[in-house]
Formats: sequence, structure tokens, C-alpha cells
Amino acid sequence: DVKVTQSSRYLVKRTGEKVFLECVQDMDHENMFWYRQDPGLGLRLIYFSYDVKMKEKGDIPEGYSVSREKKERFSLILESASTNQTSMYLCASSLGTESSYEQYFGPGTRLTVT
Amino acid sequence: RKEVEQDPGPFNVPEGATVAFNCTYSNSASQSFFWYRQDCRKEPKLLMSVYSSGNEDGRFTAQLNRASQYISLLIRDSKLSDSATYLCVVWALTGGGNKLTFGTGTQLKVEL
Repeated sequence: DVKVTQSSRYLVKRTGEKVFLECVQDMDHENMFWYRQDPGLGLRLIYFSYDVKMKEKGDIPEGYSVSREKKERFSLILESASTNQTSMYLCASSLGTESSYEQYFGPGTRLTVT
Repeated sequence: RKEVEQDPGPFNVPEGATVAFNCTYSNSASQSFFWYRQDCRKEPKLLMSVYSSGNEDGRFTAQLNRASQYISLLIRDSKLSDSATYLCVVWALTGGGNKLTFGTGTQLKVEL
């Protein structure tokens, strides 16, 4: 079974703090994705990566950055957390470009910024 | 207009009922279509792909209508365990590569 793990299930941070969300997948998948999920808005793509050290902006990249130094690990960084970044953050991975429709998700990190 | 639109529900149905969800998409260049399922406070998981000819997986039937740009999911003989949110998902080639776009989901509640 594919396993995608995220560093924290729940996180509370203060406005202005730098926040790191870590995601690790154990199936040698090329593609990795970061989404946020909000009521009424669904899943929105923040950033994605098709290879090590490669990143592409998704639909809502503002206020976020990412890092992919190793194939199995994809980190999401909030440089200066704000209250409007309170959300559920979901990491996903998929095998390769041709199969990128089947994404495997981690359990999510519920981030609260106060 | 949203790229992928779904009725949020909830659809409250008795056990054993047949229920259908529709979803419309705006990008006519969309290539592939899927239904994901998300249980309460859990991550989404792929339920099934949707093919032009229609496809069935047990009690679940998915259909695609490219001309009208909508997809549907039919669940027969509903079970309590079918209670979840069903996400309509569209895969399209964009400037940055292939991308999934998720609908906001339709909530199903199956009751005794």
C-alpha cells in the first residue's frame, strides 16, 4: 500500500511565524502535491512537483513556498503565517505524469493560525 | 464560473435507495474524469474513473457526457457505509503540466 505521511495532524501557530509542513511518501512516486481544503471551496492546489528540485505553482501559491530536496519528501513553507492560512493542508503523491490522476493523499494537517 | 461544479447536498437517502449525483465541468479540453470519495475528517481516495462508454464497479456506475460536459455517479442499493462526500475530479493539461481540479463535493447521508 502507498503510504503518504504528514508531520503533524494538528498545528497551532501565531501570526508571523514561519511554518514548515512536511510530507513523505514511501512508494518512489515522481509527483507530489500540496493542497488546502476549506469548506465551500474544496481542494485547491498550492504547489506541485514532478521531480526532485523542481516545483510548479498551482492555483493559489501566494504566501507559500515549497522544497523538494529528496524524491520522497515535499515540504510546504509558510514564510509568515497569517490567519487566512488557517486550513486543512493535504499532501498527495502520484506515480508519474501519465498516471498523475490517481493521487494518494496523506491524512492532512489541520493548521490554525491565531 | 467554477471549473468543476457539484451540488453540495446533503442527499439524505434511506438504506437500499438509489441515488445519483451530477457534476459539470467548464474546460472542454479536459481529458479524464474521476470520482473520489472523502469520509468525514479523512483524506480523499480514488473511487473510480469515468469513461465515455460508462463504467460500472459493483453498485457504482459512472457516466460521462462530453457534449454536455457533465459526469454522473449512480449508487444502487445504498449502504450506511456509503455515507461520505463524493468529489468530482477533472484532469486536464495546463501550462504547468497535467492537473487535477476537484469539485467541492456532494455529501451523501444514508440512513436506516
